[in-house]
Amino acid sequence: GENVEQHPSTLSVQEGDSAVIKCTYSDSASNYFPWYKQELGKRPQLIIDIRSNVGEKKDQRIAVTLNKTAKHFSLHITETQPEDSAVYFCAAILTGGFKTIFGAGTRLFVKA
Amino acid sequence: DGGITQSPKYLFRKEGQNVTLSCEQNLNHDAMYWYRQDPGQGLRLIYYSQIVNDFQKGDIAEGYSVSREKKESFPLTVTSAQKNPTAFYLCASSPGQGRNQPQHFGDGTRLSIL
Repeated sequence: GENVEQHPSTLSVQEGDSAVIKCTYSDSASNYFPWYKQELGKRPQLIIDIRSNVGEKKDQRIAVTLNKTAKHFSLHITETQPEDSAVYFCAAILTGGFKTIFGAGTRLFVKA
Repeated sequence: DGGITQSPKYLFRKEGQNVTLSCEQNLNHDAMYWYRQDPGQGLRLIYYSQIVNDFQKGDIAEGYSVSREKKESFPLTVTSAQKNPTAFYLCASSPGQGRNQPQHFGDGTRLSIL
């Protein structure tokens, strides 16, 4: 069935370093990949997304890459700051679909 | 200001009691969803609805029920059959099928057992 695997489950970095979170999806019909950030006790919020016709997208310190052949996509955060500390979820949506398959989440700690 | 409103923010359930969590959206979205999140865990899909008067079970529907009588509203009832209801419940919506757009989430309801 549809599945999204996310690694690592926990990531600790020093302020200013880069953080990378990786996801793999199972259904090749997936064509839209959003990333969410969830702070403690808050709602998940969309931070960046990428569609299957694009290999990379960047928004300030955040970038996402997509390798459709390998069914991998990754989130890159550069120059990390303490306020980047949160849980990050990757997700995949099938072509023409509405159901989102979420990864299990990565808890990012940025140490000052 | 468009968005998704969940109420109440905190809810306590007594043994054998059914409780209903409210979710209202004014985004004119066709699809709505309910997720359960346990501490330190990911999002598990309870129920979803693609259109008014239609809904489907998600991965953990047992002990829960929903209705979709209006486009704007998708209430979730946690029944007494759900023996471990303590969790953070998130409602979400999206434009719907055929339009690959992200889901938007409400602020959640935290349910606990008395």
